[in-house]
Amino acid sequence: DIVVTQTPLSLSVTPGQPASISCKSSQSLLHSDGKTYLFWYLQKPGQPPQLLIYEVSNRFFGVPDRFSGSGSGTDFTLKISRVEAEDVGVYYCMQSIQLPFFGQGTKLEMK
Amino acid sequence: EVQLVESGGGLVKPGGSLRLSCAASGFTFSYAWMSWVRQAPGKGLEWVGRIKSKADGGTTDYAAPVKGRFTISRDDSKNTLYLQMNSLKTEDTAVYYCTANMVDWGQGTLVTVSS
Repeated sequence: DIVVTQTPLSLSVTPGQPASISCKSSQSLLHSDGKTYLFWYLQKPGQPPQLLIYEVSNRFFGVPDRFSGSGSGTDFTLKISRVEAEDVGVYYCMQSIQLPFFGQGTKLEMK
Repeated sequence: EVQLVESGGGLVKPGGSLRLSCAASGFTFSYAWMSWVRQAPGKGLEWVGRIKSKADGGTTDYAAPVKGRFTISRDDSKNTLYLQMNSLKTEDTAVYYCTANMVDWGQGTLVTVSS
């Protein structure tokens, strides 16, 4: 099984400041088709998860451009350039190069 | 607009069975790879299993904790996904979400396994 591990597990950020979450995979997520199967989700309180980023760095429809994803191989990062109040929730990375596996989640709260 | 509506959750005793349904609309269900993801109270997301589209073979895959106990099926004529859960354990207590292609998600249905 390919395991993904997130750090930190919690973040307290002042509105307008940046935030960064790391996701490390136990194996490379680069597929032979050239795609890298790493995704980022945000689960806001009381809601189902919503897709933010697919294949490392592609923002899903309607996702603000303050969210960006980067990385390759086994190391990935989600960055929020300027955190807003609506960004509060739990962020998950997920790999799907093999059977899908979610990271433990990173809880983002406002300072 | 994509809609996924889960139903069938409830309270069941350990060792019991339950069948969840997920009614889909707003997209071509037969083309989608459909998955179930669960979330135990206060915990993170756990992928449960999936069924591929018939065009991609219609095969199923399961996470280790549920393999042999849970069965995923689909009825493309009814745009409905199913999760048959047998031999339920207390650790299966969770909100169960259905998701289309791991992109669109339902609101979830709560399954509580308790004596």
